[in-house]
Amino acid sequence: EAGVAQSPRYKIIEKRQSVAFWCNPISGHATLYWYQQILGQGPKLLIQFQNNGVVDDSQLPKDRFSAERLKGVDSTLKIQPAKLEDSAVYLCASSPIGGDEQYFGPGTRLTVT
Amino acid sequence: QKEVEQNSGPLSVPEGAIASLNCTYSDRGSQSFFWYRQYSGKSPELIMFIYSNGDKEDGRFTAQLNKASQYVSLLIRDSQPSDSATYLCAGGGGADGLTFGKGTHLIIQP
Repeated sequence: EAGVAQSPRYKIIEKRQSVAFWCNPISGHATLYWYQQILGQGPKLLIQFQNNGVVDDSQLPKDRFSAERLKGVDSTLKIQPAKLEDSAVYLCASSPIGGDEQYFGPGTRLTVT
Repeated sequence: QKEVEQNSGPLSVPEGAIASLNCTYSDRGSQSFFWYRQYSGKSPELIMFIYSNGDKEDGRFTAQLNKASQYVSLLIRDSQPSDSATYLCAGGGGADGLTFGKGTHLIIQP
C-alpha cells in the first residue's frame, strides 16, 4: 500500500513570496491533516479535513495560510505572503475511516530567506 | 490549551537495556494516545497507539496508559542502536486531532 505522498520535498523562497505544497493521502483515508513542525518542536496541527470539509482550522494563520481539498482526496496548502518564521517542515498525514492513528508523509522542508 | 509534556532529554540508555519514555497530558477528554518515532531529517513514524488504561505490547514495545494520572509511557526492551531517535507522544483523537509533545531524544549507547 502506498504511503502519503507530498511534493515538493524542499523549497527555498524569499520572504513575501508565495508557495504551495501538495499532498496525496493513503488511498481510502477520509481524514487529512496538515502540520507545521519547527526544528526542535513537535508537529503543530494547522488544519484537519474530513473528506472535503474542514473539521478544525483553529491554528491556521488565515491571513496568510490557506488550504483546500476540493475532491476529498488530495490537498494543497498555500502560504502567501511568506514570512521568515514560516521556515519549517510541513507535514501531511491521513487517517483511515474509523481510526485516529495518523500516518505521515515525508514532509516539505521550507526555508524562507 | 491542550498540552502534552515530555522531557526533551537526551535520555541515554545502554544497548540491551530497557528504555522508558514518559509523557503527561492536560486534556482529560483525550481518548487516544500515540507514540511516534522520528529520525533526524525524517517524518514521524507511528510505533504504537493505546486507547484503554493498562498496558499494550507489540514486540519490543510496550505502551502504558493511566488516565487517572494523565500519564502515558513507552517501554522499549532490548534497546538497539537503531532505536536512537526522537520519540513523540501525542494525544487527542476524533474531531480534535492530535496534540504532540516536543519529543524525547533517546540515545542507545553500544
